[in-house]
Amino acid sequence: GENVEQHPSTLSVQEGDSAVIKCTYSDSASNYFPWYKQELGKRPQLIIDIRSNVGEKKDQRIAVTLNKTAKHFSLHITETQPEDSAVYFCAASMGRGSTLGRLYFGRGTQLTVWP
Amino acid sequence: EAQVTQNPRYLITVTGKKLTVTCSQNMNHEYMSWYRQDPGLGLRQIYYSMNVEVTDKGDVPEGYKVSRKEKRNFPLILESPSPNQTSLYFCASSPRGVSGANVLTFGAGSRLTVL
Repeated sequence: GENVEQHPSTLSVQEGDSAVIKCTYSDSASNYFPWYKQELGKRPQLIIDIRSNVGEKKDQRIAVTLNKTAKHFSLHITETQPEDSAVYFCAASMGRGSTLGRLYFGRGTQLTVWP
Repeated sequence: EAQVTQNPRYLITVTGKKLTVTCSQNMNHEYMSWYRQDPGLGLRQIYYSMNVEVTDKGDVPEGYKVSRKEKRNFPLILESPSPNQTSLYFCASSPRGVSGANVLTFGAGSRLTVL
């Protein structure tokens, strides 16, 4: 099956700085890559996603990039704010056939934004 | 309000005592899935269901059972719980599968402790 690796496991930044979280995947058939944010004691929530036919996607301060050749994708948060502090998970899915329902998560990155 | 409801939210039980964690969604979603979250391991998929009467194994199905007799319900059954099943469990649903426009909606989580 797919293997998703996520780095770093913890990340501390000063408010206003940028944060980057990186993930790699093993199966070239993966074609959908969502990112989830989980605040302390809360459920995961989708913040942005990207499909394999797109190289980059932005939504205000958040962007995701995908390099299919290298099989890695990254989350970029600019102008970080204390409310960005949370655990972030990347995930990968092949989205077809017998694996249509499988979603593989990375181990998470604890992001702390210091005021 | 559109939501995924899990019960119980918290449970302490003993080894070998059968228990069921219920999951219900009111969004007419075809897809439902169970995940467990453990520190440092991220979210791991236990079982998923693409539709009524269709269930498939995820990454860590051992020790768990599921059923999907109705579209809205997807209970997780631990026939003989063991301490290594102590975890935070999330149920999630989406219109169809885990790719593209099928945004996963998570329940609030069920924290299970097996003594």
